[in-house]
Amino acid sequence: AQSVTQLGSHVSVSEGALVLLRCNYSSSVPPYLFWYVQYPNQGLQLLLKYTSAATLVKGINGFEAEFKKSETSFHLTKPSAHMSDAAEYFCAVSGNFGNEKLTFGTGTRLTIIP
Amino acid sequence: DSGVTQTPKHLITATGQRVTLRCSPRSGDLSVYWYQQSLDQGLQFLIQYYNGEERAKGNILERFSAQQFPDLHSELNLSSLELGDSALYFCASSVGRGRDTQYFGPGTRLTVL
Repeated sequence: AQSVTQLGSHVSVSEGALVLLRCNYSSSVPPYLFWYVQYPNQGLQLLLKYTSAATLVKGINGFEAEFKKSETSFHLTKPSAHMSDAAEYFCAVSGNFGNEKLTFGTGTRLTIIP
Repeated sequence: DSGVTQTPKHLITATGQRVTLRCSPRSGDLSVYWYQQSLDQGLQFLIQYYNGEERAKGNILERFSAQQFPDLHSELNLSSLELGDSALYFCASSVGRGRDTQYFGPGTRLTVL
């Protein structure tokens, strides 16, 4: 079975500061991991994904995430926050072949302080 | 724009009623997924179809059913609606049967009064 834990339901950072959103996973198979962003009243947009290639994954809008097997983590970072980054962020793990559902974390709402 | 379309955008109905949500996947995608997003349950997987066949089921209620048609669009039918069914329903699509990236539609917001 797969599961994801996102630490911190709300994170606030100042504009220009480092963004760090935490995600820990549990998976019975080598994981495929995803970060999605949801802006108000919109659907989920893929930020980046890990599929067992490079452990440091670069995504859109300057975000990146590092897969650490020893820590079962896949934290999302961005060096310098922008006002437009304010949104809800979801970490997800894919199921195994035969049931490729995404299991999502509870989400982290990111607020940017001007 | 992900290329996944969902209609309607909003739906307001009464308890006991039945509604149908529609999803058109990205061109070329064969898999369709349905998810429910609510404040108390978060994002939950409901069901997956691949090329017209049911592939996987989540915690989908018996009052809910879905199908994928030969043109690959999918419909989610919700019947005997209850207040607790109020939620955002997302459709996602992916290329095949593997652990491909799922692209999400804008969702249908269902309000049951």
